[in-house]
Amino acid sequence: KAGVTQTPRYLIKTRGQQVTLSCSPISGHRSVSWYQQTPGQGLQFLFEYFSETQRNKGNFPGRFSGRQFSNSRSEMNVSTLELGDSALYLCASSFIPGLAGDTDTQYFGPGTRLTVL
Amino acid sequence: GQQLNQSPQSMFIQEGEDVSMNCTSSSIFNTWLWYKQDPGEGPVLLIALYKAGELTSNGRLTAQFGITRKDSFLNISASIPSDVGIYFCAGQNSGNTPLVFGKGTRLSVIA
Repeated sequence: KAGVTQTPRYLIKTRGQQVTLSCSPISGHRSVSWYQQTPGQGLQFLFEYFSETQRNKGNFPGRFSGRQFSNSRSEMNVSTLELGDSALYLCASSFIPGLAGDTDTQYFGPGTRLTVL
Repeated sequence: GQQLNQSPQSMFIQEGEDVSMNCTSSSIFNTWLWYKQDPGEGPVLLIALYKAGELTSNGRLTAQFGITRKDSFLNISASIPSDVGIYFCAGQNSGNTPLVFGKGTRLSVIA
């Protein structure tokens, strides 16, 4: 079974630009969560999508947005990039959220390394 | 918001030694997870714990879900060079809340 895939793996942008990152979950998984990882802040939750609906949202500005498609694939968008947005963006998928136990266990993709110059 | 205190932050050990790291929280979690992350990669799930008091092994790795639901530890026995990486604990209150991560323990193994 293929794991979580994320594209692109690496991205370089300049301040003020916008960026779209893509995540394909494990086959059969319907929930996708996004995290930002930086050396200073660690892993921070951005948002979670299930059945094309945002279920949870972390404490990030409105420049960070996401969506999920009917095939469970998800994209996240960052507009008006700032230097501080440089990070590893991780996507994780789980089978079904909201149920305790292994159906909600999250599996991570390799991440997209975003560098903002 | 909730925070997990993971310790130690880093450790250097000799190959063959056993390793222990832990996570504590001021609030209760119903699920504890341990992940390992290699440079340039995403975290890989090592062990998942769903029940207070649960002790689970995965090869040379053993993890326990604390009886108070506020802590968990991970042990690695007979460490080998490929154990090098950053180990993260994560807690979850319920299936409707996001994971909360510790800051990680960076493990270095000296051959």
